[in-house]
Amino acid sequence: QQQVKQSPQSLIVQKGGISIINCAYENTAFDYFPWYQQFPGKGPALLIAIRPDVSEKKEGRFTISFNKSAKQFSLHIMDSQPGDSATYFCAASMEYGNKLVFGAGTILRVKS
Amino acid sequence: NAGVTQTPKFRVLKTGQSMTLLCAQDMNHEYMYWYRQDPGMGLRLIHYSVGEGTTAKGEVPDGYNVSRLKKQNFLLGLESAAPSQTSVYFCASSPLLAGGGFTDTQYFGPGTRLTVL
Repeated sequence: QQQVKQSPQSLIVQKGGISIINCAYENTAFDYFPWYQQFPGKGPALLIAIRPDVSEKKEGRFTISFNKSAKQFSLHIMDSQPGDSATYFCAASMEYGNKLVFGAGTILRVKS
Repeated sequence: NAGVTQTPKFRVLKTGQSMTLLCAQDMNHEYMYWYRQDPGMGLRLIHYSVGEGTTAKGEVPDGYNVSRLKKQNFLLGLESAAPSQTSVYFCASSPLLAGGGFTDTQYFGPGTRLTVL
């Protein structure tokens, strides 16, 4: 049973559109929520991360929205570009970065 | 800086064979991790280490052993490979932040694709 549930499994977005990926968790002890981006044949790389004391964090075109009461968080990619096409993983940790629990991943394709 | 490197990149084993995957990092990171990545399941933590000479079990440790004799290296061993261990294996490392107790970004290697026949 996955501790972090991610949806959708795959997503196709037009260039310039908004990509939204959602994650939900059950364990209220989680205190760190990163998103990782993975290109084919490469290892994952940290994209953006949030702690539960804030409801939103923005870095360039990437925004994390966090809803503590609903135990959900999401990644929004504004003005999506073909170069954003990759697999995105949400994750959670009880030890601020250590022992990450990953979601199943979302394959994003941005059509030009 | 090479970052995190993994050896080998690809390997095919027969059931029952053994092998060792090597991970090396040149960033002087305290923490190191081994994950496996399977379709539809994301990455799952196998074992991890919080410092030289220490190891601990992760989410899916059965069938694997690890050692961290040097700070920069983390070895993953399969004593008797099984087809269920066919996967892509990733190593990662992360620094210990000032103040102690917490770590941050995990830096991943390029992965090892292992097939067990």
